[in-house]
Amino acid sequence: QVQLVESGGGVVQPGTSLRLSCAASGFSFSDFGMHWVRQAPGKGLEWVAVISDGGSDKYYADSVKGRFTIFRDNAKNTMFLQMHSLRVEDTAVYYCVKDRGGGWREAFHIWGQGTRVTVSS
Amino acid sequence: DIQMTQSPSTLSASVGDRVTITCRASQSVYLWLAWYQQKPGTAPKLLIYDASSLESGVPSRFSARGSGTDFTLTIDGLQPEDSATYYCQQYDSSWTFGQGTKVEIK
Repeated sequence: QVQLVESGGGVVQPGTSLRLSCAASGFSFSDFGMHWVRQAPGKGLEWVAVISDGGSDKYYADSVKGRFTIFRDNAKNTMFLQMHSLRVEDTAVYYCVKDRGGGWREAFHIWGQGTRVTVSS
Repeated sequence: DIQMTQSPSTLSASVGDRVTITCRASQSVYLWLAWYQQKPGTAPKLLIYDASSLESGVPSRFSARGSGTDFTLTIDGLQPEDSATYYCQQYDSSWTFGQGTKVEIK
């Protein structure tokens, strides 16, 4: 059974850092691109970052570029989102997402349950 | 950046009705469009990919069509469990979502 389990969320102060993890199981992790998508309270979905199957290619939303870093450990079937200089507007549920295939033009196939990040003083 | 605009923002319909949600892209996304369903407190679920392909396990009452800039999602025979928010998403150039359409059951 394909499963994505996020962890690492919590309540932090503005300007601090946090690392999210996504543990994958039930599929060949190293064959798929992976994304982070977030959803602020009561709001819609916002794509945050993507990493290619091998980990060499990474892209970010303008809202997080320079502050967030996406990376993966294919040997441990785990993806990460390192978040620095957190802002109040980063408050959201963060979802780990597996795409449908190996290319960039793929729908978001499987979603984790999400981990909540709250940035507040 | 490609902007995605959905309409309506909210719709209310009765069980058995046929409902249609529209999604418009600010520039052509060809067929690189998906639809998702999200129920409160849960993660989104992929319904449709590549504009009109039904994801495995999704009921056949869901269908979608379109290309370029104009797309629709149709639920033919609305069921109580279809009460949810629906999002379109383009994945032609980066990845962006529409603002969502909340479907309520009368």
